[in-house]
Amino acid sequence: DAGVIQSPRHEVTEMGQEVTLRCKPISGHDYLFWYRQTMMRGLELLIYFNNNVPIDDSGMPEDRFSAKMPNASFSTLKIQPSEPRDSAVYFCASTPNRAHNEQFFGPGTRLTVL
Amino acid sequence: SQKIEQNSEALNIQEGKTATLTCNYTNYSPAYLQWYRQDPGRGPVFLLLIRENEKEKRKERLKVTFDTTLKQSLFHITASQPADSATYLCALDVNAGNNRKLIWGLGTSLAVNP
Repeated sequence: DAGVIQSPRHEVTEMGQEVTLRCKPISGHDYLFWYRQTMMRGLELLIYFNNNVPIDDSGMPEDRFSAKMPNASFSTLKIQPSEPRDSAVYFCASTPNRAHNEQFFGPGTRLTVL
Repeated sequence: SQKIEQNSEALNIQEGKTATLTCNYTNYSPAYLQWYRQDPGRGPVFLLLIRENEKEKRKERLKVTFDTTLKQSLFHITASQPADSATYLCALDVNAGNNRKLIWGLGTSLAVNP
């Protein structure tokens, strides 16, 4: 199994540009989570999906952030327009079902907004 | 306010000794508590889960305790090895409205010296 796949691994962009992060969860996993990690705030849940449907987006910082899951094998997190304070590592994680507690994380995307 | 705290200072120990990491929380009532390991440039990896009605859980050289009265979990690595050097994260599995989510500590950095 390839595990959770994220792309790109690194992204450097300028303030105001649109950024799209991509995630492919483990096949058969019904839940997909997007997290942001910074030194000051640690891991923060942004949004999670169950069977491609967004369940809880209360962690999405503001309207500049949006996430979609058009099918069971693909999700995107978009930031438009990006700001320097969005610089962080963004992780995608998946889990088979809600009764299964362990989350499987991807390698993350390191985003730098100049 | 709700908080989850881990040792903020890095922990340095000698190979072969037992490492003990602490996770304290306030104003949460977690059903489960999880421990993850994170290496630089990688996503967290699940290690152990302990339920609210369990006092202790073991897995090979790892031991986790959970005291819901003290609102504290201790994570022990016995016979530590340099390969155990990493950041260790605790995460509370809590109910938030109709949803369950993981709330994460900032992590404790462990260095095992040969």
